[in-house]
Amino acid sequence: AQKVTQAQTEISVVEKEDVTLDCVYETRDTTYYLFWYKQPPSGELVFLIRRNSFDEQNEISGRYSWNFQKSTSSFNFTITASQVVDSAVYFCALTQKDSGYSTLTFGKGTMLLVSP
Amino acid sequence: DTGVSQDPRHKITKRGQNVTFRCDPISEHNRLYWYRQTLGQGPEFLTYFQNEAQLEKSRLLSDRFSAERPKGSFSTLEIQRTEQGDSAMYLCASSPPRGYEQYFGPGTRLTVT
Repeated sequence: AQKVTQAQTEISVVEKEDVTLDCVYETRDTTYYLFWYKQPPSGELVFLIRRNSFDEQNEISGRYSWNFQKSTSSFNFTITASQVVDSAVYFCALTQKDSGYSTLTFGKGTMLLVSP
Repeated sequence: DTGVSQDPRHKITKRGQNVTFRCDPISEHNRLYWYRQTLGQGPEFLTYFQNEAQLEKSRLLSDRFSAERPKGSFSTLEIQRTEQGDSAMYLCASSPPRGYEQYFGPGTRLTVT
């Protein structure tokens, strides 16, 4: 069975601070994909990034960066120079080959509050 | 390019009533998913369609729940004899034929009184 743990329930930062959201996953499959989604107050989940289990290269997209480490089963997300618009709940999710990649298993989410 | 749409956005119903929700996926997305999200939790998988075939159902999906995707385009999720525990946000998502990321709609918030 697969599991995603986001230990940080809520994080509060002041604008322009850097913040890292942690994600730890469990799976017995060797082939899987990891995702991050953003859920702003409006409620709609927005896809941010996908990573497959064979690609441990870190990725940067503007102020966002992701650090994938198979050795620690972690897929952490860093926002640099946070902005008020980054305030949202962020979810890490996993899908794996033996389920046909048909289901996403989500963590409980981390609520990020960025104050001006 | 329109995203996933869901209707209605909000539904208030009395316990025991039946409700039906609709989801229109992104065009050309052959896979469609239903999830349920309660307050403070991540979405939980309910069921999955590839084209018109329902390929997987979660144990969360009791006999009171049924989903269809008759022509491989839009989908409906029906809950019969609603209970207060059914109150949640019901999310629909779709994904393209060779992609693994799922694109979500705005959800239908169900309140059972």
